[in-house]
Amino acid sequence: GESVGLHLPTLSVQEGDNSIINCAYSNSASDYFIWYKQESGKGPQFIIDIRSNMDKRQGQRVTVLLNKTVKHLSLQIAATQPGDSAVYFCAENRGGYNKLIFGAGTRLAVHP
Amino acid sequence: EAQVTQNPRYLITVTGKKLTVTCSQNMNHEYMSWYRQDPGLGLRQIYYSMNVEVTDKGDVPEGYKVSRKEKRNFPLILESPSPNQTSLYFCASSDKGKDTEAFFGQGTRLTVV
Repeated sequence: GESVGLHLPTLSVQEGDNSIINCAYSNSASDYFIWYKQESGKGPQFIIDIRSNMDKRQGQRVTVLLNKTVKHLSLQIAATQPGDSAVYFCAENRGGYNKLIFGAGTRLAVHP
Repeated sequence: EAQVTQNPRYLITVTGKKLTVTCSQNMNHEYMSWYRQDPGLGLRQIYYSMNVEVTDKGDVPEGYKVSRKEKRNFPLILESPSPNQTSLYFCASSDKGKDTEAFFGQGTRLTVV
């Protein structure tokens, strides 16, 4: 597998539990945020996005929360499954055409 | 199938030997970019292109070149690779517009010895 996750913080959860992955962003001017999932040996895959005029958005089993006051973003995964095991990145758009700035990532490990 | 295709997937080369990593997308996207991914640093943008013949530097452009002669292709060129360019590289494309998701290729693992 790839070595990109060797130094990442890891969140370990039991299968079936809910997972919460957090991300702090730095630029108050950022107005668009995306969560990506990266499985071993693959490129990042879009999960969900949110614009700065919203504070919550829901998808299938996933919810993203945005707190602009403290510049914090979270990804909630309901009923976590083994297939959710991956590295998760938040990305912020600081303006312009898709100028994405990525966080360092969090590894999610799901145990049976 | 909509996809971004990079080649090669794995490459080992020696310092100073010019190389090109190809990237092609079949979604007619205007915007393409290159990222490198290193442990603990996430993805950092190297170069991006907003359209044919329009390219600009990202956050870590030193030692890299790009070209955008056709809409679908966006090759990354390392004229004289050095060991600090050993990394995992991703090409991405997205549709025109400010807030649109980026689609990523499968990655190219480059090792420079």
